Amino acid sequence: EVQLVQSGAEVKKPGESLKISCKGSGYTFTSYWIGWVRQMPGKGLEWMGIIYPGDSDTRYSPSFQGQVTISADKSISTAYLQWSSLKASDTAMYYCARGGVSGSPPYYYGMDVWGQGTTVTVSS
Amino acid sequence: QSALTQPPSASGSPGQSVTISCTGTSSDVGGYNYVSWYQQHPGKAPKLMIYEVSKRPSGVPDRFSGSKSGNTASLTVSGLQAEDEADYYCSSYAGSNIFPGVFGGGTKLTVL
Repeated sequence: EVQLVQSGAEVKKPGESLKISCKGSGYTFTSYWIGWVRQMPGKGLEWMGIIYPGDSDTRYSPSFQGQVTISADKSISTAYLQWSSLKASDTAMYYCARGGVSGSPPYYYGMDVWGQGTTVTVSS
Repeated sequence: QSALTQPPSASGSPGQSVTISCTGTSSDVGGYNYVSWYQQHPGKAPKLMIYEVSKRPSGVPDRFSGSKSGNTASLTVSGLQAEDEADYYCSSYAGSNIFPGVFGGGTKLTVL
């Protein structure tokens, strides 16, 4: 079964760092782009960025460039999303998802497999 | 880049058809046949329903169909069922932008 499994919920204080994960299984992890999507409470979906684990080619949405870091460790089929200094406004659900076609960024053919989401709460 | 425009809500009775629009520009929806639609039930991850304007992934009922005219894409749900009540988001490729991916604001579909 093709699946993405994300790390568990996090509660952090402003200024703390955080790295959440997304582990792929059931497919060739290095052949499909992974996208990260933010959903703030009661709001819509927002592209954060994408990564191709095969060569770590990474692209960021302008709204998130410099705010987060996306990375991947292909040896353990895991993608990451990290913050160096969290803000209260980072409180949201974060999803990883797989690009629908091997080798193609997910904004072409959609994202066909989604992780279950990781809730991040930032509060003092 | 600006988000695609969707109506905040739509509704229909069981068995009826409902269409949700997604309006962009010639730089995104109108310029490429790379429109996707996602369904999201409360507390759940989104699910891909349509890609490349009108193609359905395996397992998506043929009650769901997509189309495009000019700068507006549409998702039609025919034979509405109670389980179709969810939020629906469109997404498009927006070629010339630094990051060429954009979502719509979402539409809450209510089955009356």
